[in-house]
Amino acid sequence: SQTIHQWPATLVQPVGSPLSLECTVEGTSNPNLYWYRQAAGRGLQLLFYSVGIGQISSEVPQNLSASRPQDRQFILSSKKLLLSDSGFYLCAWSLVSGGYTFGSGTRLTVV
Amino acid sequence: KNEVEQSPQNLTAQEGEFITINCSYSVGISALHWLQQHPGGGIVSLFMLSSGKKKHGRLIATINIQEKHSSLHITASHPRDSAVYICAVKGRSQGNLIFGKGTKLSVKP
Repeated sequence: SQTIHQWPATLVQPVGSPLSLECTVEGTSNPNLYWYRQAAGRGLQLLFYSVGIGQISSEVPQNLSASRPQDRQFILSSKKLLLSDSGFYLCAWSLVSGGYTFGSGTRLTVV
Repeated sequence: KNEVEQSPQNLTAQEGEFITINCSYSVGISALHWLQQHPGGGIVSLFMLSSGKKKHGRLIATINIQEKHSSLHITASHPRDSAVYICAVKGRSQGNLIFGKGTKLSVKP
């Protein structure tokens, strides 16, 4: 079956610390992968998407970066977190049919 | 103006009531999604629509492509339906989704 794993579920990090969120998918190959962020009171916003290994497109300029070292692995990183990076981060992948599967999300609080 | 607008922003209903959540969009789309987000944050896909109407249990989703409008209906609402319902569209030339801000539904017993 097709599943997506995202961790950790919650994270509290101090300002200036690094970040690494990981997302892996199972049951498919060469998926399109996405990182979204939901800030308080706002809708989900696309941060990065990837159509293949090493291929990353960025939608929003910020101090975050993404990498896709393997076909089914998508990583969201930051070298130094800002207070404004707090939010809910969601990984997703899309099917050729157009359907989407979402991870369980990571709630990040930068203090 | 957001490309995807939902109304209402917040909705409180009594158990058993019929509920409607609306979504309007301004871009050409290949598909529209209705999603459910529970308090813990996890998102579940409810429907994917490109035309007409779909039904799953007590949930019904409709879309009018000409009017660029979709509705999500919940019949015989129940407290366990309490969640944030999100409308998202996939543009014709895009792979990613454009999300509405969501409608927070609270169903009281």
